Amino acid sequence: QQPVQSPQAVILREGEDAVINCSSSKALYSVHWYRQKHGEAPVFLMILLKGGEQKGHEKISASFNEKKQQSSLYLTASQLSYSGTYFCGTRLADSSYKLIFGSGTRLLVRP
Amino acid sequence: NAGVMQNPRHLVRRRGQEARLRCSPMKGHSHVYWYRQLPEEGLKFMVYLQKENIIDESGMPKERFSAEFPKEGPSILRIQQVVRGDSAAYFCASSPGTSGKGNEQFFGPGTRLTVL
Repeated sequence: QQPVQSPQAVILREGEDAVINCSSSKALYSVHWYRQKHGEAPVFLMILLKGGEQKGHEKISASFNEKKQQSSLYLTASQLSYSGTYFCGTRLADSSYKLIFGSGTRLLVRP
Repeated sequence: NAGVMQNPRHLVRRRGQEARLRCSPMKGHSHVYWYRQLPEEGLKFMVYLQKENIIDESGMPKERFSAEFPKEGPSILRIQQVVRGDSAAYFCASSPGTSGKGNEQFFGPGTRLTVL
Protein backbone atom coordinates (compact mmCIF):
# COMPACT_ATOMS: atom_id res chain seq x y z
CA GLN A 1 0.00 0.00 0.00
CA GLN A 2 2.95 2.34 0.54
CA PRO A 3 3.30 4.75 -2.38
CA VAL A 4 6.53 4.70 -4.30
CA GLN A 5 8.48 7.94 -4.49
CA SER A 6 11.15 8.71 -7.04
CA PRO A 7 13.87 9.72 -7.16
CA GLN A 8 15.19 8.75 -3.73
CA ALA A 9 17.57 11.68 -3.73
CA VAL A 10 18.43 14.65 -5.89
CA ILE A 11 21.07 17.36 -5.75
CA LEU A 12 20.43 20.70 -7.41
CA ARG A 13 22.23 23.97 -7.88
CA GLU A 14 20.29 27.01 -6.77
CA GLY A 15 17.90 28.05 -9.52
CA GLU A 16 17.51 24.60 -11.07
CA ASP A 17 14.23 22.70 -11.33
CA ALA A 18 13.22 19.30 -9.96
CA VAL A 19 10.31 16.89 -10.21
CA ILE A 20 9.40 14.39 -7.50
CA ASN A 21 7.00 11.60 -8.29
CA CYS A 22 4.62 9.61 -6.13
CA SER A 23 2.82 6.51 -7.38
CA SER A 24 0.23 4.32 -5.68
CA SER A 25 -1.10 0.89 -6.57
CA LYS A 26 -4.44 1.72 -4.93
CA ALA A 27 -7.19 4.15 -5.85
CA LEU A 28 -6.66 7.45 -4.08
CA TYR A 29 -8.92 10.04 -2.50
CA SER A 30 -6.21 12.63 -2.02
CA VAL A 31 -2.48 13.22 -2.12
CA HIS A 32 -0.70 15.37 0.46
CA TRP A 33 2.79 16.78 0.06
CA TYR A 34 5.09 17.68 2.94
CA ARG A 35 8.65 18.91 3.37
CA GLN A 36 10.65 17.90 6.42
CA LYS A 37 13.98 19.30 7.50
CA HIS A 38 16.26 17.25 9.70
CA GLY A 39 15.01 17.08 13.28
CA GLU A 40 11.88 19.06 12.53
CA ALA A 41 8.21 18.38 11.91
CA PRO A 42 6.80 17.78 8.43
CA VAL A 43 5.49 21.04 6.97
CA PHE A 44 2.33 20.87 4.91
CA LEU A 45 2.78 22.06 1.31
CA MET A 46 -0.45 21.20 -0.45
CA ILE A 47 -3.29 18.76 -0.87
CA LEU A 48 -4.58 17.47 -4.20
CA LEU A 49 -8.12 16.20 -4.37
CA LYS A 50 -9.32 15.82 -7.93
CA GLY A 51 -8.10 13.91 -10.93
CA GLY A 52 -5.91 16.07 -13.08
CA GLU A 53 -5.84 18.78 -10.46
CA GLN A 54 -2.90 21.12 -10.34
CA LYS A 55 -2.07 23.47 -7.55
CA GLY A 56 0.63 25.99 -6.97
CA HIS A 57 2.38 27.44 -3.98
CA GLU A 58 4.91 30.11 -4.91
CA LYS A 59 7.38 28.23 -7.08
CA ILE A 60 6.17 24.83 -5.95
CA SER A 61 3.29 23.19 -7.77
CA ALA A 62 1.84 19.71 -8.08
CA SER A 63 -0.40 17.61 -10.24
CA PHE A 64 -2.56 14.57 -9.54
CA ASN A 65 -3.54 12.05 -12.17
CA GLU A 66 -6.43 10.21 -10.55
CA LYS A 67 -6.64 7.55 -13.26
CA LYS A 68 -3.00 6.57 -12.84
CA GLN A 69 -2.89 7.15 -9.06
CA GLN A 70 0.15 9.32 -9.60
CA SER A 71 1.17 12.71 -8.34
CA SER A 72 4.14 14.88 -9.16
CA LEU A 73 5.65 17.78 -7.23
CA TYR A 74 7.36 20.46 -9.29
CA LEU A 75 10.03 22.69 -7.78
CA THR A 76 11.07 25.54 -10.05
CA ALA A 77 13.97 27.93 -9.65
CA SER A 78 14.98 26.12 -6.48
CA GLN A 79 16.16 28.06 -3.45
CA LEU A 80 18.50 26.95 -0.68
CA SER A 81 15.50 26.81 1.66
CA TYR A 82 13.97 24.04 -0.46
CA SER A 83 16.49 21.55 0.89
CA GLY A 84 14.94 18.79 2.95
CA THR A 85 13.08 15.51 2.56
CA TYR A 86 9.83 15.56 0.63
CA PHE A 87 7.12 13.09 1.49
CA CYS A 88 3.91 12.29 -0.27
CA GLY A 89 1.08 11.05 1.90
CA THR A 90 -1.76 9.22 0.23
CA ARG A 91 -5.27 8.77 1.50
CA LEU A 92 -6.96 5.78 -0.10
CA ALA A 93 -10.39 5.94 -1.68
CA ASP A 94 -11.67 3.16 0.60
CA SER A 95 -13.04 5.56 3.20
CA SER A 96 -10.06 5.29 5.52
CA TYR A 97 -8.76 8.57 6.86
CA LYS A 98 -5.11 7.80 7.56
CA LEU A 99 -2.26 8.95 5.39
CA ILE A 100 0.17 6.37 4.03
CA PHE A 101 3.53 7.97 3.39
CA GLY A 102 6.18 7.22 0.85
CA SER A 103 9.77 6.71 1.91
CA GLY A 104 10.70 10.26 0.97
CA THR A 105 12.89 12.09 -1.54
CA ARG A 106 15.96 13.86 -0.18
CA LEU A 107 16.58 17.17 -1.92
CA LEU A 108 19.77 19.16 -1.49
CA VAL A 109 20.08 22.57 -3.07
CA ARG A 110 23.61 23.92 -3.30
CA PRO A 111 24.69 27.52 -3.93
CA ASN B 1 -3.68 30.89 15.84
CA ALA B 2 -1.41 28.39 17.56
CA GLY B 3 -0.44 25.30 15.68
CA VAL B 4 -0.49 21.73 16.92
CA MET B 5 1.18 21.51 20.30
CA GLN B 6 3.04 18.48 21.60
CA ASN B 7 4.81 17.87 24.84
CA PRO B 8 7.24 16.93 25.98
CA ARG B 9 9.52 17.60 23.01
CA HIS B 10 12.07 15.13 24.31
CA LEU B 11 11.45 12.20 26.63
CA VAL B 12 13.96 9.75 28.03
CA ARG B 13 12.76 6.54 29.64
CA ARG B 14 14.43 3.40 30.90
CA ARG B 15 13.24 0.03 29.68
CA GLY B 16 10.06 -1.01 31.46
CA GLN B 17 8.90 2.51 32.30
CA GLU B 18 5.83 4.23 30.91
CA ALA B 19 5.82 7.06 28.38
CA ARG B 20 2.98 9.56 28.04
CA LEU B 21 2.91 11.83 25.03
CA ARG B 22 0.46 14.70 24.79
CA CYS B 23 -1.02 16.47 21.80
CA SER B 24 -3.26 19.53 21.61
CA PRO B 25 -4.75 19.99 18.13
CA MET B 26 -5.04 23.29 16.33
CA LYS B 27 -7.97 25.44 17.37
CA GLY B 28 -11.10 24.28 15.59
CA HIS B 29 -9.68 20.85 14.78
CA SER B 30 -11.42 17.84 16.24
CA HIS B 31 -9.54 15.09 14.38
CA VAL B 32 -6.22 13.85 15.72
CA TYR B 33 -3.76 11.42 14.14
CA TRP B 34 -0.62 9.90 15.62
CA TYR B 35 2.34 8.87 13.45
CA ARG B 36 5.68 7.32 14.33
CA GLN B 37 8.94 8.00 12.53
CA LEU B 38 12.03 5.89 13.01
CA PRO B 39 15.41 7.52 12.25
CA GLU B 40 15.94 8.06 8.53
CA GLU B 41 12.55 6.55 7.70
CA GLY B 42 9.12 7.74 6.67
CA LEU B 43 6.05 8.36 8.79
CA LYS B 44 3.91 5.41 9.83
CA PHE B 45 0.28 5.84 10.84
CA MET B 46 -0.65 4.63 14.30
CA VAL B 47 -4.11 5.82 15.31
CA TYR B 48 -6.87 8.27 14.40
CA LEU B 49 -9.16 9.74 17.03
CA GLN B 50 -12.03 12.14 17.34
CA LYS B 51 -13.23 13.51 20.64
CA GLU B 52 -13.82 10.55 22.97
CA ASN B 53 -13.64 8.04 20.11
CA ILE B 54 -10.95 5.89 18.52
CA ILE B 55 -11.83 5.71 14.84
CA ASP B 56 -8.91 3.74 13.41
CA GLU B 57 -6.16 2.07 15.42
CA SER B 58 -4.98 -0.26 12.68
CA GLY B 59 -1.40 1.00 12.88
CA MET B 60 -0.98 0.71 16.61
CA PRO B 61 0.69 -2.33 18.20
CA LYS B 62 -1.87 -4.44 20.04
CA GLU B 63 0.11 -4.55 23.25
CA ARG B 64 1.56 -1.78 25.42
CA PHE B 65 0.22 1.07 23.28
CA SER B 66 -3.00 2.97 23.88
CA ALA B 67 -4.43 6.32 22.87
CA GLU B 68 -7.22 8.57 24.00
CA PHE B 69 -8.73 11.93 23.16
CA PRO B 70 -10.97 12.93 26.05
CA LYS B 71 -13.77 15.45 25.90
CA GLU B 72 -11.58 17.93 27.73
CA GLY B 73 -7.83 18.14 27.39
CA PRO B 74 -5.21 16.90 24.99
CA SER B 75 -4.93 13.61 23.18
CA ILE B 76 -2.57 11.20 24.91
CA LEU B 77 -0.50 8.40 23.46
CA ARG B 78 0.58 6.02 26.19
CA ILE B 79 3.32 3.42 25.89
CA GLN B 80 3.64 0.99 28.75
CA GLN B 81 6.77 -1.00 29.58
CA VAL B 82 8.84 0.72 26.91
CA VAL B 83 11.52 -1.20 25.03
CA ARG B 84 14.48 0.12 23.04
CA GLY B 85 12.59 -0.46 19.79
CA ASP B 86 10.06 2.19 20.86
CA SER B 87 12.72 4.89 20.45
CA ALA B 88 11.42 7.13 17.69
CA ALA B 89 9.87 10.49 16.94
CA TYR B 90 6.13 10.52 17.58
CA PHE B 91 4.19 13.12 15.64
CA CYS B 92 0.65 14.23 16.15
CA ALA B 93 -1.36 15.82 13.35
CA SER B 94 -4.78 17.42 13.35
CA SER B 95 -7.38 18.29 10.75
CA PRO B 96 -10.65 20.25 10.87
CA GLY B 97 -12.56 17.52 9.05
CA THR B 98 -12.17 14.53 6.81
CA SER B 99 -13.51 15.62 3.44
CA GLY B 100 -12.10 17.91 0.82
CA LYS B 101 -9.67 20.51 2.07
CA GLY B 102 -10.83 19.70 5.56
CA ASN B 103 -8.68 16.64 5.22
CA GLU B 104 -5.49 18.72 5.40
CA GLN B 105 -3.40 17.36 8.24
CA PHE B 106 -1.03 19.70 10.08
CA PHE B 107 1.77 18.26 12.16
CA GLY B 108 3.03 19.19 15.58
CA PRO B 109 6.74 19.47 16.46
CA GLY B 110 6.87 15.87 17.66
CA THR B 111 8.09 14.08 20.79
CA ARG B 112 11.43 12.36 20.50
CA LEU B 113 11.39 9.32 22.73
CA THR B 114 14.65 7.70 23.74
CA VAL B 115 14.58 4.43 25.63
CA LEU B 116 17.75 3.57 27.51
